[in-house]
Amino acid sequence: DTGVSQNPRHKITKRGQNVTFRCDPISEHNRLYWYRQTLGQGPEFLTYFQNEAQLEKSRLLSDRFSAERPKGSFSTLEIQRTEQGDSAMYLCASSNSGGPTYEQYFGPGTRLTVT
Amino acid sequence: QQQVKQSPQSLIVQKGGISIINCAYENTAFDYFPWYQQFPGKGPALLIAIRPDVSEKKEGRFTISFNKSAKQFSLHIMDSQPGDSATYFCAARGGNFNKFYFGSGTKLNVKP
Repeated sequence: DTGVSQNPRHKITKRGQNVTFRCDPISEHNRLYWYRQTLGQGPEFLTYFQNEAQLEKSRLLSDRFSAERPKGSFSTLEIQRTEQGDSAMYLCASSNSGGPTYEQYFGPGTRLTVT
Repeated sequence: QQQVKQSPQSLIVQKGGISIINCAYENTAFDYFPWYQQFPGKGPALLIAIRPDVSEKKEGRFTISFNKSAKQFSLHIMDSQPGDSATYFCAARGGNFNKFYFGSGTKLNVKP
């Protein structure tokens, strides 16, 4: 399967702990996005990478959140000092700026539960 | 402020019926409008998409109708099947960097 993969699929953590999620985009895709989806809502944009450069961050991304994409391949999203309000599905998507359309392909997500 | 408004929140349709989901947007700079289908525990999967220079796009049982002047677009699912039961999200691309703004979703239940 050459789709977007995310790990772990589920993460349960206690409030105050740090967590890190990983996203592996489709191999030829140079654009990578992180979204957050809470129950009953659509995905909300968090941040965007083109290759290794983080070009945009949402106001939703507080200073407890940090994302990286070293070497323009996989990406990690870290949440420090987790809060119960961080409980959500974290989705990664990728796309190819060289393609004819603007399609974004989503991974299965990482569901975070903060207790 | 929600950039894309979606309705209804939930929809029940009999097998073989037509499911219709509506979305409205305000930003005239939006230039690409996809629909995503999401099953529980899965990520959204691209279903069909349209650009604003086209009024309708059909792929199999799925059709997007687009009204640029009204800033509205809708998804029609013909001959709805129980396997179509999922949550559907409309979205719009805008601003820099190909960012998507999603609607709040419609949970579709197709009764056998």
